[in-house]
Amino acid sequence: AQSVSQHNHHVILSEAASLELGCNYSYGGTVNLFWYVQYPGQHLQLLLKYFSGDPLVKGIKGFEAEFIKSKFSFNLRKPSVQWSDTAEYFCAVNPRDSWGKLQFGAGTQVVVTP
Amino acid sequence: GAGVSQSPSNKVTEKGKDVELRCDPISGHTALYWYRQSLGQGLEFLIYFQGNSAPDKSGLPSDRFSAERTGGSVSTLTIQRTQQEDSAVYLCASSPPLGGVETQYFGPGTRLLVL
Repeated sequence: AQSVSQHNHHVILSEAASLELGCNYSYGGTVNLFWYVQYPGQHLQLLLKYFSGDPLVKGIKGFEAEFIKSKFSFNLRKPSVQWSDTAEYFCAVNPRDSWGKLQFGAGTQVVVTP
Repeated sequence: GAGVSQSPSNKVTEKGKDVELRCDPISGHTALYWYRQSLGQGLEFLIYFQGNSAPDKSGLPSDRFSAERTGGSVSTLTIQRTQQEDSAVYLCASSPPLGGVETQYFGPGTRLLVL
């Protein structure tokens, strides 16, 4: 069965620390990959996406993610977090033969302390 | 402009009752999606509507779940004979014509609690 695994459910770190959230998926075919973010009290929104090309993609607010095909991974990184990065982060996979379907991971709650 | 709206924002019901959850997509968006987020789990795809095409219902967990989209706009997700395991946040998203899967705009969700 297809699945998306996020390694950490909760992460607490201080401002200026570096952040890396792991995401692995199990799917044998070609996929599109996404990270979504949900800030407190707000709707889910797209952070960044990977379809093809350069496996290192940059998103909004200084986030980036690297697709490593051999590891079926799409880890999210930010070199220096801010208090405003406190949110829940979801990794999502869209198999290209399943147009419209997004399969999400369980999410990682990130808390950045001042 | 207005985003995706969902109603009610919260719903408490008794086991065995039917519930209807409503989604108003962004005007002009042709695709509409329903997801479910259970406690401690990721968002689970339920159903997808695209224009006038037959919906993709492959994510509906049982025949107690159904969804309609009237006039290519508003959608209603119906859960019959609710069970406690149906308790979750139900999210709706819509995307514009020619928009890919990444252009989904999410609503605020309906939090359903089945007692």
